[in-house]
Amino acid sequence: QLVLTQSPSASASLGASVKLTCTLSGGHSTYAIAWHQQQPEKGPRYLMKVNSDGSQSKGDGIPDRFSGSTSGAERYLTISSLQSEDEADYYCQTWGTGPVAFGGGTKLTVL
Amino acid sequence: EVQLVETGGGLIQPGGSLRLSCAASEFIVSSNYMSWVRQAPGKGLECVSALYSGGTTYYADSVKGRFTISRDSSKNTLYLQMNSLRPDDTAVYYCASRKNWGQGTLVTVSS
Repeated sequence: QLVLTQSPSASASLGASVKLTCTLSGGHSTYAIAWHQQQPEKGPRYLMKVNSDGSQSKGDGIPDRFSGSTSGAERYLTISSLQSEDEADYYCQTWGTGPVAFGGGTKLTVL
Repeated sequence: EVQLVETGGGLIQPGGSLRLSCAASEFIVSSNYMSWVRQAPGKGLECVSALYSGGTTYYADSVKGRFTISRDSSKNTLYLQMNSLRPDDTAVYYCASRKNWGQGTLVTVSS
């Protein structure tokens, strides 16, 4: 069964950087994933797709402060120069023709 | 600009039925992966159903046999027929492609 695992929470200071992790369950380490952001009281917004080779494809208007990367079964979302509006929930989701799954989400607090 | 607009949510009694619609503009529903993703109050995102461009469908175990996803190419619209609704189906339902999200429609199942 395909499972995406995310830490429930993360925090970092204004202006700092943070790296969020999404771990694909065993046997699915070659899957691409998408990252989505959900700010408080808003709907989700697509940020980017991250492939198993580390390449990424960002959505329209997504700032350069957001970047994606890969190491084995882990997919990362790095946000640099944190701003107050980055405080949000971040979800990873499978991208492909196989099973559809979301991670449980990471709540990011900007201190 | 791509727009996905959901309609059809509301208050329904347990055991009842609803049909959600997702009208797309600047985007061809039948040529793309489309999905219905729900978010229960205070919870994360859950893909309840997906429809691939080739016609393959996906259903979460929790809705299999009760929900049906479909599309109408002439109307460029995605649908979710929801039968035998239960209180735990209460959620905001989002229509989503790979990179775009609708604003969501609230479904409340309660007597």
